[in-house]
Order: sequence, then C-alpha cells, then structure tokens
Amino acid sequence: DIRMTQSPSSLSASVGDRVTITCRTSQDIRNDLAWYQQEPGKAPKRLMYAASSLQSGVPSRFSGSGSGTEFTLTISSLQPEDFATYFCLQHNNYPHTFGQGTKLEIK
Amino acid sequence: QVQLQESGPGLVKPSETLSLSCTVSGGSISSYYWSWIRQPPGKGLEWIGYIYYNGLSNYNPSLKSRVTISLDTSRNQISLRLTSVTAADTAVYYCARRSSGGTSYSHWGQGTLVTVSS
Repeated sequence: DIRMTQSPSSLSASVGDRVTITCRTSQDIRNDLAWYQQEPGKAPKRLMYAASSLQSGVPSRFSGSGSGTEFTLTISSLQPEDFATYFCLQHNNYPHTFGQGTKLEIK
Repeated sequence: QVQLQESGPGLVKPSETLSLSCTVSGGSISSYYWSWIRQPPGKGLEWIGYIYYNGLSNYNPSLKSRVTISLDTSRNQISLRLTSVTAADTAVYYCARRSSGGTSYSHWGQGTLVTVSS
C-alpha cells in the first residue's frame, strides 16, 4: 500500500492567514492526488484534483501543487468558512489511501 | 445535482453481517466507479473497495475475505456487505463516485455511523 504522510495534523490560524498543508507519499504517484474538505456530518467536498486543478465552484484562494511524492494545499487568505478538516487522497494505486487529516482551527 | 445517501442499521452485533445501501439520486449509476470508504472514530479514512457499473469489482486486501459490493441498477443503489464484524469495524461508512479514466472521487455521501456492539 502507498503510505500517506500528511502534516500538520492540526493547525491554529486566524482569518486572513495563509496556510499550507503537505502530503507526502511513499512512492511516485505522478499527479494522482486530490484534496478534500470535511465538515462534521457532511459529505467530503473535493477542492483539488490532479494535484493542482481547482474543482469547479471552489474559491480561487485554494490552490494545490506538487507531483511525484510531495504535494501541498495552500489557502491564501483564510475565511471563517474554511475552518474544517482537510485530507488528501492518492488514487494512483489500489488500495486507494488517504492522509490522516489536518484539522484547521481558529486561533 | 447528483446526491448519494447511505442507509442501514446503526448497530450491528459482533460476528454478524453489516449491510448498507447507497442510493443515488439525480443521475444514473452507469459509467461510474462506486466505492465504499470508512472512517473509524478519531481515525483516518480507509478504502474498502469499488464496483464498476459493468460489475467489475476490487477490494482492499485487508478486508477482501469479508466484503462484497454489489449494484442494483433498477433501484440506483450500491450495496455493501461486511461479514463477521468486530468492534474494529465501528466506523462512519461513506459511498463515493468517481469517473473512469483515473480520476478521484467527485461525489460522496454524508456517511452513516455503524457501531458494532452487543
């Protein structure tokens, strides 16, 4: 299985801050990585696909980068609705595997 | 707007079989991959397996001996069956859809909590 190392596991930040979340994979997955936002009791929402493509309808303050084994999700200016949990997913190889999640909290 | 909704018993006894359904509304189940994914309380997500609309399936080796995923095209439903459950199978269970061509999951249900306890 491809191991996913997502960091940090939690992050305190303020509205307007720029934050970056990192996902590292144990082997090259090209750009077969997606980022999701998860709120309690709601369906996960895809933010980025193919590592750096913005999902339609997602604000442009979200961006993704990387390929191979290292990937980042950046939120350029945090808004109140962005405080949630974020996770990455690799779909290059079965079984698909996930990062452990990053809980973004208000400072 | 495609929506996925999981349903099934919230409580299952140890050694029994967990059975869940995912009902798809606003679209057909044809031409997509349908997966089940779970998340134990306080832990990360685990991919359970998928079924393609033509019946092709693939399961996580860690669960393969106990899992069956099936389709009911007439009811637009995807089903999950997990046998011989233990407390370790307590989790929120999600169904999710992805297109063919190596894409990620574009649509998820909101999940349903299943607790394994006597």
